[in-house]
Amino acid sequence: SQKIEQNSEALNIQEGKTATLTCNYTNYSPAYLQWYRQDPGRGPVFLLLIRENEKEKRKERLKVTFDTTLKQSLFHITASQPADSATYLCALPPSGNTGKLIFGQGTTLQVKP
Amino acid sequence: NAGVMQNPRHLVRRRGQEARLRCSPMKGHSHVYWYRQLPEEGLKFMVYLQKENIIDESGMPKERFSAEFPKEGPSILRIQQVVRGDSAAYFCASSPGDLLFFGSGTQLSVL
Repeated sequence: SQKIEQNSEALNIQEGKTATLTCNYTNYSPAYLQWYRQDPGRGPVFLLLIRENEKEKRKERLKVTFDTTLKQSLFHITASQPADSATYLCALPPSGNTGKLIFGQGTTLQVKP
Repeated sequence: NAGVMQNPRHLVRRRGQEARLRCSPMKGHSHVYWYRQLPEEGLKFMVYLQKENIIDESGMPKERFSAEFPKEGPSILRIQQVVRGDSAAYFCASSPGDLLFFGSGTQLSVL
């Protein structure tokens, strides 16, 4: 069955460092992958979309890579700030895409000043 | 441009009552998705609707749960005869295409 895995352990880093979060998936080949940010008590907010023919995408301090051979995406936040503390979710369209997205469990990032 | 609007923000029901959750998509979006999130768990897909049509309800329990998106008005997620296990955050999202815009959710608490 199709599966998305994100590190369930919280990631704690010091302000100014680069945070790297991992998303692994199995048993399918999605046309694209998305990353969302979720703050406590709020709905997820879209951050970046990367397509299968793109190796890397950047937006300000964010960088996403997509390795379709390894079936993995890495999400980087450079020069991290306490305001970056949140839960980050990766999401993929399932096989036989009907328009919905399947979400990973999310990784909580805590940036300490 | 208003975002996705969900109401109520918090809903308390006693076991056996009905819960109605409302979602107004962003202007111009005709696709609505409902997700459920339990504490310490990820978002679980429930149902995908377009105006007057259910496209995919594979994630919705067969009993007690129903969803609609009428031609006029908001999308409604209805839970009949609620049980304690229905307590969760319910998020609605609308979409113009590939990506989703989420509302702030409805926190349902069943006493």
